[in-house]
Formats: sequence, structure tokens, C-alpha cells
Amino acid sequence: GQQLNQSPQSMFIQEGEDVSMNCTSSSIFNTWLWYKQEPGEGPVLLIALYKAGELTSNGRLTAQFGITRKDSFLNISASIPSDVGIYFCAGEETSGSRLTFGEGTQLTVNP
Amino acid sequence: EAGVAQSPRYKIIEKRQSVAFWCNPISGHATLYWYQQILGQGPKLLIQFQNNGVVDDSQLPKDRFSAERLKGVDSTLKIQPAKLEDSAVYLCASSFVGPGPFFGPGTRLTVL
Repeated sequence: GQQLNQSPQSMFIQEGEDVSMNCTSSSIFNTWLWYKQEPGEGPVLLIALYKAGELTSNGRLTAQFGITRKDSFLNISASIPSDVGIYFCAGEETSGSRLTFGEGTQLTVNP
Repeated sequence: EAGVAQSPRYKIIEKRQSVAFWCNPISGHATLYWYQQILGQGPKLLIQFQNNGVVDDSQLPKDRFSAERLKGVDSTLKIQPAKLEDSAVYLCASSFVGPGPFFGPGTRLTVL
């Protein structure tokens, strides 16, 4: 089945640093979603992207839908300790089709 | 607006036993999903309902897993009999029109 390659697998940063993570696919996607999951909880939707080239922000988070429609990235600016968690990308090939998740990026922020 | 509710939050069973999970989606959400999340991996779709009809169950191990959504609202996911490799978090999610899906807190299943 479809797979998404998410990198890096983990990141250890200092509070205040900026963070960048990305997701790539061998197939074209129609929709890209970014989620954050904290221990013992379900994933929480952060940003949804629907058009190639689209750049969307949610507070300190910015995500972009790649021009080729095969990738997406998520940036977090001025990280804070509560940004700790696992960030997942997810893609949908066509509207209403199965959502495929990446393996996640584990983010650790040192105060 | 209340989120997706799931119960129980934790369950420990022995292999070959049966287990059932319950989900109540966000009010008005026609689409309901069950995902399996194995430790260290992203969620994997098991089954997707649109109202009370199945849209996608291609990744559901039908010899042991079953799910129903009889009245188009609540849903139950059952495993019978459980295997060691079924140890995972089972996430229920729901969506309507627009971005999503929105996830519940999950049920952590441990099979001994």
C-alpha cells in the first residue's frame, strides 16, 4: 500500500529554536494534513492543505503543500516546551479516499 | 462541542480472549473511522463508515475483527479471538465536511 516517508524520525532542540520536518510520497496526493500526538492521547489536527503550493499558518506553525504534490513540510518557529510530542503527516490521494499516515517525528524541546 | 468519546481507555486480556471497544463520534459527523496504531507507528485505517454503511474495510482482518455502526451514530469494534500482535492503541475518529478526521483519546489494548 501507499507509504509516506517522514523525516527526521526524532529531533532534540533547545527552547526558542525553529524546527522543520517533512513528508514525501511516491504518489500524488490531493490533501495533506499535519497532526500532533501527545502521550496517551489521540492525534490532534494542526493544519490541513488542499492545493499544490498552498502555504498555511496556525500560530507558530506553518505548513506547505509541495508543488509536485508529492511532499509537504511543517515548520515550528520559536519552539516552547509544550511543543513536545509526535508530529504526523497524513495524505489523501483523492477526496474521500483512505488517509495514509507517516511514521511520525518525535520532537523533544529542552528548556 | 464534545469530542470523540471512547471506552474503555485501557484493556488487558489474554490471547484468544475477546474484546470490544465503543466509540461515540462528534455530534453530526456522518463519517466514522477505526484506526489501529502500533507503538512507534502512525495510525492505520481498519474501517471507515459513512452513516451506517461501510466505505472501506480493505485493511480489516475480517477473520477476527468486526465492527458495526447500527444507527449511524455509535460504533463498536470487536476482536475475537485476540492475538499478541493485536496489542496496540485503537483510535476512533469522525469527520463531516471540511478538514479532519478528528480523533478520540484511543483505547490501549494489551494482549498477554
